[in-house]
Amino acid sequence: ELKVEQNPLFLSMQEGKNYTIYCNYSTTSDRLYWYRQDPGKSLESLFVLLSNGAVKQEGRLMASLDTKARLSTLHITAAVHDLSATYFCAKYSGGGADGLTFGKGTHLIIQP
Amino acid sequence: DTEVTQTPKHLVMGMTNKKSLKCEQHMGHRAMYWYKQKAKKPPELMFVYSYEKLSINESVPSRFSPECPNSSLLNLHLHALQPEDSALYLCASSQPRRETEAFFGQGTRLTVV
Repeated sequence: ELKVEQNPLFLSMQEGKNYTIYCNYSTTSDRLYWYRQDPGKSLESLFVLLSNGAVKQEGRLMASLDTKARLSTLHITAAVHDLSATYFCAKYSGGGADGLTFGKGTHLIIQP
Repeated sequence: DTEVTQTPKHLVMGMTNKKSLKCEQHMGHRAMYWYKQKAKKPPELMFVYSYEKLSINESVPSRFSPECPNSSLLNLHLHALQPEDSALYLCASSQPRRETEAFFGQGTRLTVV
C-alpha cells in the first residue's frame, strides 16, 4: 500500500523567510504532484514532477524530486502572505487510472 | 479547455432525501474520479471510472452510487446519507494512462442535516 507522508503538517512563518516542505513516499514510481488548496476551495495544481532530478519553479515556489530517496521538496523563498494555504503532495500508487493518494497536507500560515 | 465543472456548488440535504452530484468535462479524458474530503483532511479516493466502466470502488457505502452515462459526464447519486457524510466532494478527470495529470473540479460542498 502506497504511503505518502508530509512534514511539517503545520507551519507558521513570517513574511520574507524561507522554508521547505518535505514529502516522502513509499513507491518507486516516478511522478509526483503538488497541489495548493485555499480554505473552502478545490485543489489547484502547482507542479507535476515527471522524473528523478526534476526541478520546477513558479514565482516563490520551487519543487524538486529525488526518486532514489523517494523524496520531494517544496521550497518557499521570501514568503508572502498570499502563499498562505494548505499544500498537498500526491502520487499514483500503480499503473493505469488508479487515483491519487495524498499526503496529509501542510497547513501554511504566513504572517506579516 | 482544461475545465472540470461540478454542480451544484453547495447542497444541503436531509437524511431521507435523494440527490445527485454532477461532473462534466470536455477534455476528451476517459478516466473520471470521485474524491471525498473532510475538513482538515486530504482528499480520499472513492470511485474511478475508466472508459465509462467502474474500475475502482474504495469500499464506499452503497448509499453512494456512481454513474458514468458517457465519456464526458460523471454522476454521484446520494440516498439516505448520514451527517458524517458531510464533506467536500471533488470530481477529477485524466487520461486513463499511467500517472497522467488529473484536473479537479471546484467541488460540491455537501451538508447532511
